[in-house]
Amino acid sequence: EIVLTQSPGTLSLSPGERATLSCRASHRVGSTYLAWYQHKPGQAPRLLIYGTSSRATGIPDRFSGSGSGTDFTLTISRLEPEDFAVYYCQQYGGSPLTFGGGTKVEIK
Amino acid sequence: EVQLVESGGGLVKPGGSLRLSCAASGFTFSNVWMNWVRQAPGKGLEWVGRVKSKSDGGTTDYAAPVKGRFTISRDDSNNMLMLQMNSLRTEDTAVYYCTTDGSGVVVPAAFNYWGQGSLVTVSS
Repeated sequence: EIVLTQSPGTLSLSPGERATLSCRASHRVGSTYLAWYQHKPGQAPRLLIYGTSSRATGIPDRFSGSGSGTDFTLTISRLEPEDFAVYYCQQYGGSPLTFGGGTKVEIK
Repeated sequence: EVQLVESGGGLVKPGGSLRLSCAASGFTFSNVWMNWVRQAPGKGLEWVGRVKSKSDGGTTDYAAPVKGRFTISRDDSNNMLMLQMNSLRTEDTAVYYCTTDGSGVVVPAAFNYWGQGSLVTVSS
């Protein structure tokens, strides 16, 4: 099983600041199979990034993904008020599929 | 418009059974792989399992904590996904989401579409 470790657990930032979220895998993940999701309380998760760096339909370009092998990053260039949420990375190339533990981006 | 609507959640005693359903619309259901993902109170997202499309064998895969207790099935004629949960434990308490990529063109794929979730509470 591929274990995904996200850091930091919580990121306290102000609107307009840059957010950098990390996802580290216990084994190599093919770049085609790494995704990022945004999740807000009471809502369904939303796909942001798939294939490490491709934005899902309707996702603003302030969200970007990068990385390879075992180290992946989600960057939010300038935080908007609606971006404060929990973010999860996921690998979907092998079974079992796995999610990271999440990074909460909160308002400072 | 793609819609995924879960139903069947509720309160069940430890050791009991429950069956969740997910009604799908807005895409060609038979073409896609379907998944269940859960979120326990105060915890993160956890993949439960999936069923592949019949053209890809229709096979199922499960996470270790539910293997042998949960069964995922699909009814392509009615665009329905099911999750049969047996021998339920308190740690199975969670919101259960059905989810899919919605196209089946490239597999495996990330989860583009999600239902709103169905709460399952396992408690005596």
